[in-house]
Amino acid sequence: GQSLEQPSEVTAVEGAIVQINCTYQTSGFYGLSWYQQHDGGAPTFLSYNALDGLEETGRFSSFLSRSDSYGYLLLQELQMKDSASYFCAVSHASGGYQKVTFGTGTKLQVIP
Amino acid sequence: GAVVSQHPSWVICKSGTSVKIECRSLDFQATTMFWYRQFPKQSLMLMATSNEGSKATYEQGVEKDKFLINHASLTLSTLTVTSAHPEDSSFYICSAVGLAGWVTDTQYFGPGTRLTVL
Repeated sequence: GQSLEQPSEVTAVEGAIVQINCTYQTSGFYGLSWYQQHDGGAPTFLSYNALDGLEETGRFSSFLSRSDSYGYLLLQELQMKDSASYFCAVSHASGGYQKVTFGTGTKLQVIP
Repeated sequence: GAVVSQHPSWVICKSGTSVKIECRSLDFQATTMFWYRQFPKQSLMLMATSNEGSKATYEQGVEKDKFLINHASLTLSTLTVTSAHPEDSSFYICSAVGLAGWVTDTQYFGPGTRLTVL
């Protein structure tokens, strides 16, 4: 089966940088995605890494090391609106289909 | 672009009734749609994978006779919760992957449907 581990909660100060780590175990790995979800809302796609290295999109960056089964999401210049839950998710082969399994989520609280 | 809608956004029903939730990709063709369920403060749990024109693939532990999925076209998938009970109360979210979606692995999520069964 698949398993993902990420911290349950993180608190950071407005304007700072925060890193949310994700380790995973899966077979048939395709890539690692990150999603943001505000309370009561649906997840929104942030980034996807299929290859090792860093992907940067504005204030958000995502990193993947396939050999270490590890990735992280880096949020810079934190803003209050970044307070949300962040999920890592692995894309993997399963029964002839490609599926996505989500981690348990990290609740980020940005404080003034 | 890449907008996915869900209808209704919330529904309250009596125990024993059936509820249909629609998921539409508005500006792209979705070869695959996924249905997730999310309980409060928990992660998204995949219920089933729906491919246009074929039967849905259900995850282990999800009753296919209780959660009926129909993917009649490249832009519409429906989830029907039959004989709903209070334990089915949850946030149901669909997502869609376009024809080239697996290259970037971008799933576009609908806004979700909050189901409350009394």
